[in-house]
Amino acid sequence: DTEVTQTPKHLVMGMTNKKSLKCEQHMGHRAMYWYKQKAKKPPELMFVYSYEKLSINESVPSRFSPECPNSSLLNLHLHALQPEDSALYLCASSRERLANTGELFFGEGSRLTVL
Amino acid sequence: AQSVTQPDIHITVSEGASLELRCNYSYGATPYLFWYVQSPGQGLQLLLKYFSGDTLVQGIKGFEAEFKRSQSSFNLRKPSVHWSDAAEYFCAVGARGNKLVFGAGTILRVKS
Repeated sequence: DTEVTQTPKHLVMGMTNKKSLKCEQHMGHRAMYWYKQKAKKPPELMFVYSYEKLSINESVPSRFSPECPNSSLLNLHLHALQPEDSALYLCASSRERLANTGELFFGEGSRLTVL
Repeated sequence: AQSVTQPDIHITVSEGASLELRCNYSYGATPYLFWYVQSPGQGLQLLLKYFSGDTLVQGIKGFEAEFKRSQSSFNLRKPSVHWSDAAEYFCAVGARGNKLVFGAGTILRVKS
């Protein structure tokens, strides 16, 4: 099983809503990532969890709150978002430290629209 | 700081023709280099990677890439393109820690 599963695939929310994006992998990977991808742009790293601990936060606004309940799950909690936060949010995982393996396994993404 | 440049935003090739997508990187040490492909509305899939050793790297779907340190390049090639290769291609460099820095991407269109 080489899948990273993201739910929901599409999400529309108002600026006052609270919602969550979910990501799951059962490959035994110990590093998980959130990327944000705007249209016609490359993915931009938001957060990295390594062994269930937050290891990188790329100065992401606090309206995005990541959570890693266990080694298979990664959540991104959303609150008071702005329309410019509309994007494709990609979850990825890697077996261990990226520098050792190089390969990220990506989910298909959650397309978020903020009204 | 690490950076990746993909000079071609769009490339159009005829089906069956050869393909080369350009990638130049900036990194102080020996780089870890990758090519990923993204179909519309999908996540990214790794095509190939270079860590060390043989500078010509073979990947999936018939792709290969050559690392040239003197030119700071890692160009992606395929001898004969298929219509299903139409997608966006991202070159990336592995930076310190668990970071992957992506280039801006090249959109490949395939003419039948």
